Formats: sequence, structure tokens, C-alpha cells
Amino acid sequence: GEDVEQSLFLSVREGDSSVINCTYTDSSSTYLYWYKQEPGAGLQLLTYIFSNMDMKQDQRLTVLLNKKDKHLSLRIADTQTGDSAIYFCAESGIDSWGKLQFGAGTQVVVTP
Amino acid sequence: EAQVTQNPRYLITVTGKKLTVTCSQNMNHEYMSWYRQDPGLGLRQIYYSMNVEVTDKGDVPEGYKVSRKEKRNFPLILESPSPNQTSLYFCASSQDGGAHWDTQYFGPGTRLTVL
Repeated sequence: GEDVEQSLFLSVREGDSSVINCTYTDSSSTYLYWYKQEPGAGLQLLTYIFSNMDMKQDQRLTVLLNKKDKHLSLRIADTQTGDSAIYFCAESGIDSWGKLQFGAGTQVVVTP
Repeated sequence: EAQVTQNPRYLITVTGKKLTVTCSQNMNHEYMSWYRQDPGLGLRQIYYSMNVEVTDKGDVPEGYKVSRKEKRNFPLILESPSPNQTSLYFCASSQDGGAHWDTQYFGPGTRLTVL
């Protein structure tokens, strides 16, 4: 079946850039997403990218997609303590209508 | 305010005692879904519903039931809970299950412990 993989932990200093990586296996993926989960809260959609795009920028967030390698990354510029959270990569595709496949999540800890 | 609500937020129960976790959305969304979140496994989809009276299995449906009698409600039913169903459960809704994932909203979660 489809698989989405992420590293489990990232530590970054306040003010530095964070890069969270994700790989997926489903070649029919059409949408790829990044969600943020703060402690004790549900998931919040941060951004998404269509599979026909290479890059999407939204304020401090930059999403890069390498479709050939099935690699997705999220870069957070000028990381703040409020960015400490779990970040989930997810994908959906034409062959998986109604299904959103999530990675295990990357715990990002921002240190002063 | 657009939102997805879940009740209860926390529940401790015993093996075999039937329970229902309710989910309600006020956005007139067609699509609703249930996930469970377990450490190291991310979110796994249990069931989803494309519209009223239309439900389908996700990746981990065993031990769960759902119903969609009204558009706004999508309860999750555990007929005979077991300890391996101890987890954090999320309900989500979106305008539809495909092209409008960007409108997907998640509920606050229900932490269930089965003893």
C-alpha cells in the first residue's frame, strides 16, 4: 500500500531555518500536505502543493516537491518557539479518493 | 464559527462496554472521516463518509462502526472496546474528499483509554 515516511525528531535554534523532510511511495499522489499539531490540539493545515508544482511559498513557509524522487520538504524560515509542534506530511491521489495518507509526524523542538 | 466538535474529549472505559464518540460539523460539509493517532504511526484512517448514508472503510476499520444519518453528524461506535483501541481519535470534515482537502477541518480529539 501507500507509504509516507518522515524523520521523527528535529531540534532547531530559534531564528534558524527548519527543514522537515518527507518521502512517499504513491506515484499517483496529486496533492501533498503539511499539517501542524500543537500539544493537546487537533491538526491544522499549514499548506499544500499540487503534484504539478515544484515549489510553493507562503510567508515563512516554503514547500519543495521533487516528484521524480517522491520527496517533499517544508522549510520554515526564522523559526520561532511557537513553531514547536508535530508536523505531519500527508498525500492524497486520484486512486485514493476520500483517503488521506499521513506520515508518522516529525516532532520539532525550537530551543532559545 | 466554523468548527468540528467531538464528545467526549476524554474517556476511560473497560473492555467490552459499548461506547460512542460523537462528531458534529457546522459547515455543511459532505465529507467526514475518523482517524486514530498512535505514537510513531501518525494518523490512520478508520472510516470515512462521502455523504449521507454513504460510508466506507479506511485503513484500520476493524472493531469500529460508523453511521451517517445526517450530514452534520458522524458518530464512531465501538461495540466491544478492547485495550488495543486505546488511542487519540480525530474527526475531520471537508467540502469533499478530493479536490477540497484544503478546506479540511479537524476536531480537537478524543483521548480514549480502554482498561
